[in-house]
Amino acid sequence: NAGVIQTPRHKVTGKGQEATLWCEPISGHSAVFWYRQTIVQGLEFLTYFRNQAPIDDSGMPKERFSAQMPNQSHSTLKIQSTQPQDSAVYLCASSLDKGLRDFSAETLYFGSGTRLTVL
Amino acid sequence: GDSVTQTEGLVTLTEGLPVMLNCTYQTIYSNPFLFWYVQHLNESPRLLLKSFTDNKRTEHQGFHATLHKSSSSFHLQKSSAQLSDSALYYCALTPGTNAYKVIFGKGTHLHVLP
Repeated sequence: NAGVIQTPRHKVTGKGQEATLWCEPISGHSAVFWYRQTIVQGLEFLTYFRNQAPIDDSGMPKERFSAQMPNQSHSTLKIQSTQPQDSAVYLCASSLDKGLRDFSAETLYFGSGTRLTVL
Repeated sequence: GDSVTQTEGLVTLTEGLPVMLNCTYQTIYSNPFLFWYVQHLNESPRLLLKSFTDNKRTEHQGFHATLHKSSSSFHLQKSSAQLSDSALYYCALTPGTNAYKVIFGKGTHLHVLP
């Protein structure tokens, strides 16, 4: 079990450029989450998918951020026209849905993150 | 909306002393799940312990916490701090049944001195 895989580990972009971050969840996990981590704000929820369907994107800055999950083995987070305030560690996590009615207690398994630096 | 509030910033204490990291939460739902995640330097967050049951103590790796719905609290405690406990600790909340979004507090840095 390789765990959640995120690529790249580090990404540096110029202001106004686009950044695409990749996440491969643990095989068999049906829920995928994206978080942004900064020293000031901690772990901020961005969006999550369940069985590839977008469920809640209430944390996403709507104008420049988008996320997709085209198949069960990967998800992408795209940031258009990056700004210096987007600099952060972006963490992807996956969770196993055992098919029970209440899945609220499932553990999140985090990837190593992508450190985005916008110059 | 749903939120989690933690002891902010840095908590520094000497090895062997007790640890208590505060966590309170707000939610309109009556059956939330509460979690503590720990993140060591250059690692990703990982689950430390979780609870759903009111007034029941949950323990793992020497740490314990009790969910108190009456005070909306889920404080993390350990009787004797170790150097290896130095890390960033996050309290988190899943508001309730079928509310899968996990909301984290801002985190508390614990620094244990020899």
